[in-house]
Amino acid sequence: GNSVTQMEGPVTLSEEAFLTINCTYTATGYPSLFWYVQYPGEGLQLLLKATKADDKGSNKGFEATYRKETTSFHLEKGSVQVSDSAVYFCALSDPTNAGKSTFGDGTTLTVKP
Amino acid sequence: DGGITQSPKYLFRKEGQNVTLSCEQNLNHDAMYWYRQDPGQGLRLIYYSQIVNDFQKGDIAEGYSVSREKKESFPLTVTSAQKNPTAFYLCASSISGGGPDTQYFGPGTRLTVL
Repeated sequence: GNSVTQMEGPVTLSEEAFLTINCTYTATGYPSLFWYVQYPGEGLQLLLKATKADDKGSNKGFEATYRKETTSFHLEKGSVQVSDSAVYFCALSDPTNAGKSTFGDGTTLTVKP
Repeated sequence: DGGITQSPKYLFRKEGQNVTLSCEQNLNHDAMYWYRQDPGQGLRLIYYSQIVNDFQKGDIAEGYSVSREKKESFPLTVTSAQKNPTAFYLCASSISGGGPDTQYFGPGTRLTVL
């Protein structure tokens, strides 16, 4: 079956530091890949996505590139802010499986001033 | 504004009681989903529906039931058969259930069984 593995957290960084959160996946088809963000006590919201190999998703300074050869979709940001503190989820959607999504376990990011 | 609403935000119930969580969307989406989130874990799919009057079991459907009588509504009932119901429940929707669609999430309901 499909699976998503995320880098274990929690991750603590100082403001303006570089962020990388690793994500690798296993899928039988050609999935679309997503990063969602969850702020405390809220639901998830889409951060960025990529639908095919070599696509780069970007939003709010975050980027991730769909790497089919390494089955990865690592999240990066060049300079984090305190307001980026949240839980980040990597996910895939498999069109061969009724579009069902598979989520990673989430990585908690804390940014200190 | 379009979106997904879940109510209530916090819910307390005694052990052995059934409880129904509400989920409504005005995005005109065909597909809707229910997930369970436990501390430090990812989302696990309980049930999903790709179209009105049809729904499918997800990975952890035991002890839960749903209905999809209207496009906008997808209520989840947590029955007394669910052995460990205390959790954060998230409802989501997407344009359709068959493609690379973004899922839009509600704010969640935190259920505590006493």
